[in-house]
Amino acid sequence: AQTIHQWPVAEIKAVGSPLSLGCTIKGKSSPNLYWYWQATGGTLQQLFYSITVGQVESVVQLNLSASRPKDDQFILSTEKLLLSHSGFYLCAWSRDWGSQNTLYFGAGTRLSVL
Amino acid sequence: GEQVEQLPSILRVQEGSSASINCSYEDSASNYFPWYKQEPGENPKLIIDIRSNMERKQIQELIVLLDKKAKRFSLHITDTQPGDSAMYFCAGGNEKITFGAGTKLTIKP
Repeated sequence: AQTIHQWPVAEIKAVGSPLSLGCTIKGKSSPNLYWYWQATGGTLQQLFYSITVGQVESVVQLNLSASRPKDDQFILSTEKLLLSHSGFYLCAWSRDWGSQNTLYFGAGTRLSVL
Repeated sequence: GEQVEQLPSILRVQEGSSASINCSYEDSASNYFPWYKQEPGENPKLIIDIRSNMERKQIQELIVLLDKKAKRFSLHITDTQPGDSAMYFCAGGNEKITFGAGTKLTIKP
């Protein structure tokens, strides 16, 4: 069975400080990986997706970046946090690239920027 | 890209009655429509999905209907229980999935 692990569970950070969030998928080789952002009470906004190691596509520009250093790892980061970065960050995976692919979400990281 | 509209944003129904959430989409190429349930503080979880080759799908108390001609799909929860209280998101797309704004469902005892 596949498992998805996100870290940390929660972060409280100061405006202007750096951030790094991680996600690891076990039990599935070459998964498609995604980062989503959700404001409190809001919808799910896709930020990045990655089909393969070293390749990341940006969907929305929010002064964030993502990297896929290993097949099973996806990293979201920024050098300078903004207040608007607060929210719930969700990593997700799907089996293959193509149509009709179900997304499976990690437990998420709740970020508060003060 | 695809746009998915979801209504209502808030829904309160009596326990034991039915709840319905409606979504519409714009791109006729969209062929996959999942529904996710998100409880407070937790991640969204897939509860049911429907593909474009179907018009109706049922899993226990969950019924999904798809009208491709009208570009509409809906979720119906029959015999609602307190545990059905949550945020529900519809989504649609092809290679890329777009989520609706969400519906906060509250089941009144």
